[in-house]
Amino acid sequence: QITLKESGPTLVKPTQTLTLTCTFSGFSLSTSGVGVGWIRQPPEKALEWLALIFWNDNKLYSPSLKSRLTLTKDTSRNQVVLTMTNLDPVDTGTYYCAHRRDGSGWYDYWGQGTLVTVSS
Amino acid sequence: DIVMTQSPDSLAVSLGERATINCKSSRTLLYSSDNKNYLVWYQQKPGQPPKLLIYWASIRESGVPDRFSGSGSGTDFTLTISSLQAEDVAIYYCLQFYTTPQTFGQGTKVEIK
Repeated sequence: QITLKESGPTLVKPTQTLTLTCTFSGFSLSTSGVGVGWIRQPPEKALEWLALIFWNDNKLYSPSLKSRLTLTKDTSRNQVVLTMTNLDPVDTGTYYCAHRRDGSGWYDYWGQGTLVTVSS
Repeated sequence: DIVMTQSPDSLAVSLGERATINCKSSRTLLYSSDNKNYLVWYQQKPGQPPKLLIYWASIRESGVPDRFSGSGSGTDFTLTISSLQAEDVAIYYCLQFYTTPQTFGQGTKVEIK
């Protein structure tokens, strides 16, 4: 059974750096084809894809956010960490991590999400 | 970036009636080498993460009721709920994974009339 859970601060000040951790179980990020993605959703708005890390440590980032995002993985701890710099109130929203189905491009299991508010 | 445009933004359908949601891509999502459309559909209920309904544009995910179906190819896609049930009230999103960045449609809200 695959599960994912996001954790991190709920309130961040503008210009600060956000660090979110995705802790997962039921799969290994050292298995060929596996990936973990991050998607966010501002309140009452649509989903936005942010980034994706693969089993081989390849990474993809949204071009519009690439300069602000960093993904790392800790295979032994079954964790993926997303770092976003220079936060702004428009970054407020629910951040989801999700399991990318092996060999596909979509996400089949999602965490419950964590709400991050950017405010002074 | 590939722009995904859904229509309508919202619709109200009577219980037992058909609901049809459209998703149009600014570029083809049909990959010539494997003849697959790189599009999926999600359902999102309030306070929940998205749930995968359809992949490769038309293949129903395991456990998804057969009243949900996907169709279309290239740039035009449709999600159909053949007989709307109360539990289908949600926002539905299409997602293209043909290229990076992956992009979602803006969502279609389905309600009961």
